[in-house]
Amino acid sequence: QQQVKQSPQSLIVQKGGISIINCAYENTAFDYFPWYQQFPGKGPALLIAIRPDVSEKKEGRFTISFNKSAKQFSLHIMDSQPGDSATYFCAGLLLDTGRRALTFGSGTRLQVQP
Amino acid sequence: EPEVTQTPSHQVTQMGQEVILRCVPISNHLYFYWYRQILGQKVEFLVSFYNNEISEKSEIFDDQFSVERPDGSNFTLKIRSTKLEDSAMYFCASSARAVSSYEQYFGPGTRLTVT
Repeated sequence: QQQVKQSPQSLIVQKGGISIINCAYENTAFDYFPWYQQFPGKGPALLIAIRPDVSEKKEGRFTISFNKSAKQFSLHIMDSQPGDSATYFCAGLLLDTGRRALTFGSGTRLQVQP
Repeated sequence: EPEVTQTPSHQVTQMGQEVILRCVPISNHLYFYWYRQILGQKVEFLVSFYNNEISEKSEIFDDQFSVERPDGSNFTLKIRSTKLEDSAMYFCASSARAVSSYEQYFGPGTRLTVT
């Protein structure tokens, strides 16, 4: 199976707080895990990505934590800001096979309250 | 910064009609994709295109769908006979040629409404 399960469906965080979104995947052949950010009326934009040979990747306020044995990964947004309010999608990709079809999670609508 | 563009932003059509959605990928990219997102649901892969042929397609991409690169800049998705369930946001994406260039850049989407 190529499903990617994402939770929670929606999340409300106070400004300055930490937002945490979780994903679990079934296909152990996935070897690239991006997170996309989508604002209303816009297409998904790549935010940060990780490969399974590392357990954590940090870019600014955004961190991916990866647990290969549990087949889970999560996005942490530190010091969350109202401008981070968007829908976030995790995804998986079978990169090494040459395939390029992203399998997306169901999305998390994040609202950061001022 | 280069970006993927799509036209039209919103297309309304009657059931059974043909529609063509247009995309201009980033100029030096060679892999092209179509995804769709039914309202409130996740983004789903439809098809990928490289070297003037389909490289991968999902089970959603049946005989009613086709893709084409009619010239050096445009990439189109055609739906021959639209159904109500084709109503969705359709996203075009592109990525660079290199094996390591798996980052896909998405356009703003075309909202297709079938009545």
